[in-house]
Amino acid sequence: DGGITQSPKYLFRKEGQNVTLSCEQNLNHDAMYWYRQDPGQGLRLIYYSQIVNDFQKGDIAEGYSVSREKKESFPLTVTSAQKNPTAFYLCASRGPGDIQYFGAGTRLSVL
Amino acid sequence: DAKTTQPTSMDCAEGRAANLPCNHSTISGNEYVYWYRQIHSQGPQYIIHGLKNNETNEMASLIITEDRKSSTLILPHATLRDTAVYYCIVRVAWEGGSQGNLIFGKGTKLSVKP
Repeated sequence: DGGITQSPKYLFRKEGQNVTLSCEQNLNHDAMYWYRQDPGQGLRLIYYSQIVNDFQKGDIAEGYSVSREKKESFPLTVTSAQKNPTAFYLCASRGPGDIQYFGAGTRLSVL
Repeated sequence: DAKTTQPTSMDCAEGRAANLPCNHSTISGNEYVYWYRQIHSQGPQYIIHGLKNNETNEMASLIITEDRKSSTLILPHATLRDTAVYYCIVRVAWEGGSQGNLIFGKGTKLSVKP
């Protein structure tokens, strides 16, 4: 099956802990995105990558970090500097026609 | 990207057509109309997009008025699984240099009822 795979589906973070959310795609897309969604709200851009080995900060990058060492993978680390990490995190890739394909999301909560 | 206006919520009977309107009166000539939906607790899903001609795929039809100031997404035979928030987005197709991220408004909450 082609698509975006996010894991885990649910994640719990302890105080002072860094956690990493996985995002893998087998669509051969160059561009990938990380969004954050809070209850009843729209999507806010955290980081994006237009190509391997390159990534840029989005609108709310503070407290987050990413890497793009492989075309297929774009992991997001939520660091201890992110004081309000509880949210629904969505990864997407951009394909032909400027269509974005989303994963099923990771729901992060703080213990 | 041009601003869009959608009703907050709509109901539809199962098996009937769901017609979701979107106003985009400030759309410019090179902006496309995209529709996505988000079922509760899932990632958004692309449905359809178009520039000026009507479009149809296996999921839906998109009707764009001749002046392109509004459009309608049609789900021909709505099922309970079509209950979701539907987003109309107007944007220039990405050509490089910009972030390319999607900006979702409030959307229309469609409830399909038995």
